[in-house]
Amino acid sequence: DAKTTQPPSMDCAEGRAANLPCNHSTISGNEYVYWYRQIHSQGPQYIIHGLKNNETNEMASLIITEDRKSSTLILPHATLRDTAVYYCIVRVPSSNSGYALNFGKGTSLLVTP
Amino acid sequence: NAGVTQTPKFRVLKTGQSMTLLCAQDMNHEYMYWYRQDPGMGLRLIHYSVGEGTTAKGEVPDGYNVSRLKKQNFLLGLESAAPSQTSVYFCASMRETQYFGPGTRLLVL
Repeated sequence: DAKTTQPPSMDCAEGRAANLPCNHSTISGNEYVYWYRQIHSQGPQYIIHGLKNNETNEMASLIITEDRKSSTLILPHATLRDTAVYYCIVRVPSSNSGYALNFGKGTSLLVTP
Repeated sequence: NAGVTQTPKFRVLKTGQSMTLLCAQDMNHEYMYWYRQDPGMGLRLIHYSVGEGTTAKGEVPDGYNVSRLKKQNFLLGLESAAPSQTSVYFCASMRETQYFGPGTRLLVL
């Protein structure tokens, strides 16, 4: 699986958009970009994933650059409950490791009032 | 539909004691996983299972054993607990994406 690089921490004001970057310059053509988050002391929660097109769901939007070497997770209207560690993971859905996810250290997002 | 549940939520062990952590899922998923998370770290894969009766080693399998006798249950065993196994343990199951349980906090003294 390709390596990802994320800033260790970010701040965002409540109600504003939170834009979380992820660099995955060694991504290969069949690898997907997944985003999970972990609110303090809880199990990780799936947010969104994509291959090359931008994706949107009820939680967030995922913007993947045309060369697929980086992506941005957008929380359009951050709330205090979005304070969490956000993990960007790149992997092939059909690898031989049982589809396990390789979690790095992620980005700790703090949403402030 | 409870999703993924873990038992117990918290446990204190003495060095050398044994215990089993239970993970149960009611989503009929084939794939199940055990991860551990240490302070300030991401999750690391201990063992996983791609179906009933099958298990495989992950990144940090030493000191742990697992069993998947029933599709809905994935058990993680510590035969002789060590302080280095103090951690938070998360179980997950998967169809297209992984669904995680609430975690088990284990303290080994």
